[in-house]
Amino acid sequence: DTAVSQTPKYLVTQMGNDKSIKCEQNLGHDTMYWYKQDSKKFLKIMFSYNNKELIINETVPNRFSPKSPDKAHLNLHINSLELGDSAVYFCASSQNDRDTGELFFGEGSRLTVL
Amino acid sequence: GDSVTQMEGPVTLSEEAFLTINCTYTATGYPSLFWYVQYPGEGLQLLLKATKADDKGSNKGFEATYRKETTSFHLEKGSVQVSDSAVYFCALSAQAGTALIFGKGTTLSVSS
Repeated sequence: DTAVSQTPKYLVTQMGNDKSIKCEQNLGHDTMYWYKQDSKKFLKIMFSYNNKELIINETVPNRFSPKSPDKAHLNLHINSLELGDSAVYFCASSQNDRDTGELFFGEGSRLTVL
Repeated sequence: GDSVTQMEGPVTLSEEAFLTINCTYTATGYPSLFWYVQYPGEGLQLLLKATKADDKGSNKGFEATYRKETTSFHLEKGSVQVSDSAVYFCALSAQAGTALIFGKGTTLSVSS
């Protein structure tokens, strides 16, 4: 069983469209994250939820809206996609909001905006 | 602010060569330090960690020592294998409850 799973793995879409990426973890962790990895492999935190509550919200355009229906799921919805949104988006989880260094990552969702 | 600086890659080595990937950090307080590895097409995996000065983290033949005096956490392996080819990320957690901050990653390519 995959510990942190993301869908879809690949997403190709046109500028201006709206898309969602879903993430689920079966580790029983309390805290989940979205990271963005750009074409140069640089990783940056976007959001973090702890037990369905938003605890980290970095400087991200408000076209990005995370949602956590329960502590095992964290979804990312992106409105009005732009070329610069092309990246790999990684979901991750940690046992709790104190152990933020020990992350379990999904395999990533590669978003390409044309 | 807090940051991590890694040596630029790519690093290209022959099998059985010695590996060092340099990592230095800037942080207030006493951060925890981590190395993550990303194999092609996969997510990141925690490789090793150290939570206080002079701690040595080790795993799969890789080692790194937390040096507070030089604010460094260099990754080393005595004899690399082709299967070690990956991107390596140094990271810090400035304090409990803050998001992990990653370096820019160093690509390692090992040839037989």
